[in-house]
Amino acid sequence: GAVVSQHPSRVICKSGTSVKIECRSLDFQATTMFWYRQFPKQSLMLMATSNEGSKATYEQGVEKDKFLINHASLTLSTLTVTSAHPEDSSFYICSARSGTSGDEQFFGPGTRLTVL
Amino acid sequence: GENVEQHPSTLSVQEGDSAVIKCTYSDSASNYFPWYKQELGKGPQLIIDIRSNVGEKKDQRIAVTLNKTAKHFSLHITETQPEDSAVYFCAALDSWGTDKLIFGTGTRLQVFP
Repeated sequence: GAVVSQHPSRVICKSGTSVKIECRSLDFQATTMFWYRQFPKQSLMLMATSNEGSKATYEQGVEKDKFLINHASLTLSTLTVTSAHPEDSSFYICSARSGTSGDEQFFGPGTRLTVL
Repeated sequence: GENVEQHPSTLSVQEGDSAVIKCTYSDSASNYFPWYKQELGKGPQLIIDIRSNVGEKKDQRIAVTLNKTAKHFSLHITETQPEDSAVYFCAALDSWGTDKLIFGTGTRLQVFP
């Protein structure tokens, strides 16, 4: 149990285009989802926290107009990178937490974004 | 806010030896400390966690110890195997009710056959 999926697993796009990444909790209801970005050989950096049905809370330095987060249901959150540029190329990882899992977060497999 | 430091950044051991990774945290009110294993190109996987009301927890070859007074916790892997090679991250739950995990900088463990 407690499986989180992400789609797509990797995406290559041209500079200026927008990319949407989906994060789904497959067998539990995720009251809270988190989006992280990880650059090569670095740790996970939290971008934002989203609770179902409410606006996401962004970390300092993360542009909310560039990284649009939607958490419309208890099993789906989406991250849209708008007008992507090469510096947005990174590994994007989501995690989910249910109301019954306590403090444990379940991580997705990640999405590799490459912007040309 | 919480700050987590992790050492060493790289660790190489011979198969069968033990490996120890150490983390320190700054917020004495933090009460949840998970450890994650991340293989290349994959998301982190929880391998063990500990809460502040427990000093030690063990799961087969993996153990975690917590010293609340000193604000540090450690991951111990015994009888290491080549498949243990990965990057390991410690984390601490932010105590300010944000549900955020604050991650350490990671340790790249290499187990040589």
